[in-house]
Amino acid sequence: RKEVEQDPGPFNVPEGATVAFNCTYSNSASQSFFWYRQDCRKEPKLLMSVYSSGNEDGRFTAQLNRASQYISLLIRDSKLSDSATYLCVVNPGENNNDMRFGAGTRLTVKP
Amino acid sequence: GAVVSQHPSWVICKSGTSVKIECRSLDFQATTMFWYRQFPKQSLMLMATSNEGSKATYEQGVEKDKFLINHASLTLSTLTVTSAHPEDSSFYICSARDLAGVYEQYFGPGTRLTVT
Repeated sequence: RKEVEQDPGPFNVPEGATVAFNCTYSNSASQSFFWYRQDCRKEPKLLMSVYSSGNEDGRFTAQLNRASQYISLLIRDSKLSDSATYLCVVNPGENNNDMRFGAGTRLTVKP
Repeated sequence: GAVVSQHPSWVICKSGTSVKIECRSLDFQATTMFWYRQFPKQSLMLMATSNEGSKATYEQGVEKDKFLINHASLTLSTLTVTSAHPEDSSFYICSARDLAGVYEQYFGPGTRLTVT
C-alpha cells in the first residue's frame, strides 16, 4: 500500500463548480498534513495546511479525519486559474523530517 | 516569504558526464534540505535528506555514490549526479526547512535534467 494515495483524476469541471479531492494515508502516527498545488513543470507550492479541526481559506476548505486516515480538499466556485495538480502531503512525524507526497490529482477547470 | 533558488534551471548533458545542481535558501537559514526527483506524470519522490554539516540520509534504492550531496552551509546544498545516464533524466527539486523547525518546506523551482 502506498503511503499516500490520491485519485489521479483527471477532474474536468466547469467554472463555478464545486469539486472535492480525497487522500488517504497509511501511517496512523502521521503528524501533519498539507495540500500543495503544482502547475505543469513547476515546483509545488503550499496551498494550505490541514488542521484537525478543519480549516478554510477563501474558496478552499480542508478537512482531516484521523480515525479514517484521510484528508480532503474542497474547492468552491472553481476558477480557470485553479487548473493544476493538487498534491496531498503527509509528514510522518516521529522524528522523520521528510514529507510523503501523493501522486497528485489533476484538475482542469473549463470555461 | 521564504525563497529557495536552484541552479541551473535546465541542463542537458552527455551520458557519462557529471552534473551539479545547487540549492540555496535566499532569505533564511536551512538546517535541513531535501532532494526530490519527479518523473513525468508521477509524484515527487524523496531521494535524500541533507543536514548541514553531516552526511546526507538517502532513501532506499537511491545510490549515494551516484547522487552526491553536500550541505556545507546553512544556505547551500548541492546534488551532483555522477556519470549520468539517460534514465537519470528527470525533474530534480530541492526544498528547505528553516531553523524554526516548522514542518513547512519551501521548494526551489526545480532543475530539469536531460541526459543524451
